Amino acid sequence: RKEVEQDPGPFNVPEGATVAFNCTYSNSASQSFFWYRQDCRKEPKLLMSVYSSGNEDGRFTAQLNRASQYISLLIRDSKLSDSATYLCVVNIQTGANNLFFGTGTRLTVIP
Amino acid sequence: EAGVVQSPRYKIIEKKQPVAFWCNPISGHNTLYWYRQNLGQGPELLIRYENEEAVDDSQLPKDRFSAERLKGVDSTLKIQPAELGDSAVYLCASSFRAGGGAFFGQGTRLTVV
Repeated sequence: RKEVEQDPGPFNVPEGATVAFNCTYSNSASQSFFWYRQDCRKEPKLLMSVYSSGNEDGRFTAQLNRASQYISLLIRDSKLSDSATYLCVVNIQTGANNLFFGTGTRLTVIP
Repeated sequence: EAGVVQSPRYKIIEKKQPVAFWCNPISGHNTLYWYRQNLGQGPELLIRYENEEAVDDSQLPKDRFSAERLKGVDSTLKIQPAELGDSAVYLCASSFRAGGGAFFGQGTRLTVV
C-alpha cells in the first residue's frame, strides 16, 4: 500500500471556480504535511505546509484531519496560472523520517 | 539566496554506460535527498543524507546506484551501468532539518537509449 494516495485527476475547472483536492495517508505516525505544486517539466515547489488547525494562504486553504488521515487543499477563485500538478507530501518520523510524495493531482483551469 | 543547484540539466547516454549527477544544496541545509521521478508519478526517494551520513538508502538499487556526500555539502549520484529503465528525472532536494519542507533543484533529465 502506498504511503500517500491522491486522485490523479485531471480536474478541469473554469476560471473563478473553487476546487478541492484530497489526499489520504496510511501511516498514523505521520507528523508533517505539505502541498507542493509542480508545473510541467519543472521541479516540485513547496506551496504550503499543513497544520493541524488548518491554515490559509491567500486563495489557498489547507486542512488536516488526523482521525481520518486525510489532507485537503482548497483553491478559491481559480486562476489560469493555477494550472499545475499538486503533490501531497507526508513526513513519517517513525523510522524513516522521510518525505513521501503522492502521485499528484493535475489541475487545468479553463478560460 | 541560491537555491538547490543540479547539473547537468539533461543527459543522454547509451545503456550500459555510467552517468553521474551532481547536487549543491542550499547553504546550511543538513538534510539532502535524491529522488527519482517518472512521467505521471510523484517523486520516489532514493536516498537521504543527514550531513555526510546516508541515513536511509533502502530504496537505492545498490547493484548499480551509488551516492556520496563528502564533507556534508555537495552530493553526487552515480549509475553504473545504466539501463533503459533508468530513464527519468533525478531530483535533488534539501531541507534545514529532516521532516521539514524540502526545496528542489531543477533536476537532471536522464534518457538512456
